[in-house]
Amino acid sequence: AQSVSQHNHHVILSEAASLELGCNYSYGGTVNLFWYVQYPGQHLQLLLKYFSGDPLVKGIKGFEAEFIKSKFSFNLRKPSVQWSDTAEYFCAVTQGSGGSYIPTFGRGTSLIVHP
Amino acid sequence: EAGVAQSPRYKIIEKRQSVAFWCNPISGHATLYWYQQILGQGPKLLIQFQNNGVVDDSQLPKDRFSAERLKGVDSTLKIQPAKLEDSAVYLCASSLSSGGGNEQFFGPGTRLTVL
Repeated sequence: AQSVSQHNHHVILSEAASLELGCNYSYGGTVNLFWYVQYPGQHLQLLLKYFSGDPLVKGIKGFEAEFIKSKFSFNLRKPSVQWSDTAEYFCAVTQGSGGSYIPTFGRGTSLIVHP
Repeated sequence: EAGVAQSPRYKIIEKRQSVAFWCNPISGHATLYWYQQILGQGPKLLIQFQNNGVVDDSQLPKDRFSAERLKGVDSTLKIQPAKLEDSAVYLCASSLSSGGGNEQFFGPGTRLTVL
C-alpha cells in the first residue's frame, strides 16, 4: 500500500523566511503528486500538482515543488513566506492505472507565520 | 461554479447511534470521494466512486460504514452503529474522473462527535 510521509508536523516561521516542507512517498511506479492547502476556516484546495514533464512545478501564491524520482520526494518550497501563508499543508499521491487512480494523503504540516 | 456541498456541517451523537452524511459533488464530476480526517492526521480515503460504481473501498470499515451513489450524482455515507473512535471530520471531494492527474475539489466537511 502507498504511504506518504510529511516529516515536519509543525513549522513556525517569521515573515520573509524561506520555507521547505518535506514529502516522501513509498510507491516506486508511476505516481501523480499534489500539494493541497487548507487555510483557517476554508476548504482544502489545490496548491500545485505534478503530472508529467518538468519536475519543477509552480503553483499559486509563489509556491513551487520539485519532483525527485530517485528520492521518492516532492518537497514544497517558497522563498519568502507571508503571514497569509499560515495554513495546513498536505502532500498527496495518486497511484493506479488506466482510469482508476487512488489517492493517499500525508498527515499534514501546520505552518504558522509570524508577522 | 458551485462547489461540493455537504450536510450536515456538525453532528453530535451517542455511541451506538446511527448517522448519515450527504454530499453533492460539482456538476459533471464523475468521481466522488469520502474521507475520514481524525484530528492531527491527514484525510484517509474511505471510498471512491466512479459514477455509481466503486473504485476502491479497501479502507472502509464495512461492518459499520456504508456508502452509496445510486444515480451517479450525490452520495450518502452512513455509520451504524457509531463508536467513539469515529469522531472525526468527514470530507467529501469530487473530480472530473479517476485519472491520476485530476484535481480534487473538497467540500466543507461534516464534523462528527460521538459521545
